[in-house]
Amino acid sequence: RKEVEQDPGPFNVPEGATVAFNCTYSNSASQSFFWYRQDCRKEPKLLMSVYSSGNEDGRFTAQLNRASQYISLLIRDSKLSDSATYLCVVIRMDSSYKLIFGSGTRLLVRP
Amino acid sequence: EAGVAQSPRYKIIEKRQSVAFWCNPISGHATLYWYQQILGQGPKLLIQFQNNGVVDDSQLPKDRFSAERLKGVDSTLKIQPAKLEDSAVYLCASSFRGAGGDTQYFGPGTRLTVL
Repeated sequence: RKEVEQDPGPFNVPEGATVAFNCTYSNSASQSFFWYRQDCRKEPKLLMSVYSSGNEDGRFTAQLNRASQYISLLIRDSKLSDSATYLCVVIRMDSSYKLIFGSGTRLLVRP
Repeated sequence: EAGVAQSPRYKIIEKRQSVAFWCNPISGHATLYWYQQILGQGPKLLIQFQNNGVVDDSQLPKDRFSAERLKGVDSTLKIQPAKLEDSAVYLCASSFRGAGGDTQYFGPGTRLTVL
């Protein structure tokens, strides 16, 4: 079983739709959580951090449920430019802080 | 501010050949990471440097992969000899301190194809 699991998608939605992605992690010692965005043939870029209290940035809302070991990302009023792969990222501490990436969820927003 | 630089951007080699990738992190960033991203998967950490010392290389296939970060700035990642399954994008990233809250900034990557 992978340490960070995501539905690969693709999620194909019309402009203006609301879409939600989920991510589960298996290591309860995980300390920090993030969503990264990766455009086709580009490098990953930090989208937002995820907190138990929830984190909202414009049209994007991220939520963490530690008890269920579950992370979510909600995108409201989808734009064409939101089309990308969304990577769930968990940080755990071994000898150093290590980022563990999920395989990503692909989003396609159509006109 | 200049980002993380990597070269080459693309490389095609035959199996059993050698290849090297170069990375220049953001100025002032103490921590440098090399990741391997296979198509359809998320990046996987290969090695992490703090200044010029190795912090984590637990997932580096040491029989064929090596990396160094002389002088604590630029880094090179080498594969010798390459196998078909090494075909992937090799991403370099850097962060200010390597602490849990630090943002990692990624370079554009080197896309390696092994034939």
